[in-house]
Amino acid sequence: SQQGEEDPQALSIQEGENATMNCSYKTSINNLQWYRQNSGRGLVHLILIRSNEREKHSGRLRVTLDTSKKSSSLLITASRAADTASYFCATVYNNNDMRFGAGTRLTVKP
Amino acid sequence: EAGVAQSPRYKIIEKRQSVAFWCNPISGHATLYWYQQILGQGPKLLIQFQNNGVVDDSQLPKDRFSAERLKGVDSTLKIQPAKLEDSAVYLCASSLAWQGGASSYEQYFGPGTRLTVT
Repeated sequence: SQQGEEDPQALSIQEGENATMNCSYKTSINNLQWYRQNSGRGLVHLILIRSNEREKHSGRLRVTLDTSKKSSSLLITASRAADTASYFCATVYNNNDMRFGAGTRLTVKP
Repeated sequence: EAGVAQSPRYKIIEKRQSVAFWCNPISGHATLYWYQQILGQGPKLLIQFQNNGVVDDSQLPKDRFSAERLKGVDSTLKIQPAKLEDSAVYLCASSLAWQGGASSYEQYFGPGTRLTVT
């Protein structure tokens, strides 16, 4: 399978703590994207990181990419209850093939 | 800016019946995707269109699923006949055109159609 695999499958933290989710993949990619899905807003794009980039930031989100290890991580700092959602990594290959992983279910307790 | 529109939002059918879903992408987005998302899993790409041409349908069960995008805008996805395992949320997404290389554009998703096959 070409899809990425998220780890952990589920994560529960207290509000204000940081949350880290990881994504691993098996073959070379063109870019990797992180998405969030909750019942209120559906599936929403968070960050895209290209294969020649190592780190990107967007507000409280920080994404890293290590192509030598074929892995990426998503860090959410100072988490809020509203961050409760499922987070998916999507790997995009050079043939434009895009595959989603099974996701990490994050619960932020107030 | 209007988002990706999908209808219906919910559909309940019996197995062996047929069903169709409709999607209207964001204006100006040439690329359109249909995904199937089974409860507890990530979205699985069924088919990708670039304008009205199919770019990838390798994971579309062609014996029962079909999709079209005749005028390069709206799209319909059909299942005939439906099976119990087709129960899922069907998501439509669109993105800007893919120009000479791998997609580096984010995808915008619609609210999805929740299909229940009994």
